Amino acid sequence: KQEVTQIPAALSVPEGENLVLNCSFTDSAIYNLQWFRQDPGKGLTSLLLIQSSQREQTSGRLNASLDKSSGRSTLYIAASQPGDSATYLCAVSGNAGNMLTFGGGTRLMVKP
Amino acid sequence: DAGVTQSPTHLIKTRGQQVTLRCSPKSGHDTVSWYQQALGQGPQFIFQYYEEEERQRGNFPDRFSGHQFPNYSSELNVNALLLGDSALYLCATYLFGTSGSYEQYFGPGTRLTVT
Repeated sequence: KQEVTQIPAALSVPEGENLVLNCSFTDSAIYNLQWFRQDPGKGLTSLLLIQSSQREQTSGRLNASLDKSSGRSTLYIAASQPGDSATYLCAVSGNAGNMLTFGGGTRLMVKP
Repeated sequence: DAGVTQSPTHLIKTRGQQVTLRCSPKSGHDTVSWYQQALGQGPQFIFQYYEEEERQRGNFPDRFSGHQFPNYSSELNVNALLLGDSALYLCATYLFGTSGSYEQYFGPGTRLTVT
């Protein structure tokens, strides 16, 4: 059974800092890994998707890496802004179109 | 935003009652998955519907049931509500995206409170 863990559970940083969010999973046989953002009480917004054959993906100030053999992914946020404050969730899929298994999320607060 | 809509936005029910939540995927998205997200936790997979049939199911009791209609919209029904059923219920569809992989797209969710 796939299990996904995210560390830290919560993080508070001053504006402008670069930061790293961590995600680990127990079964390396994944199809892809997605990072999502969730604002309080809202749905999920997809940030980045990494296919199992890829090592990293970038979008603006966000960079996600994947080390499938060690069961780890990191989300790097450069020059953090107060608008980045949200919960960040990582999720893995075992097969195309299959269910997603989520971590518990990292709650990020960026202080002005 | 992949155009997934859910209704209602919020609702409050009493223990023992039954509830129906609705999801409308974007046109052409034929697979619908439902997730339950308790406060402070990550979403948990309930089940997935494709071509009007349940294709996969997570570790949820039979009180949770669903349906998919020919237009691919879907309903989630929960019977005999418990306080622990209070959560955000998310609907998701997936499509082969520009990433070269199947991606899941989520609706805004329905917040269910059981008192």
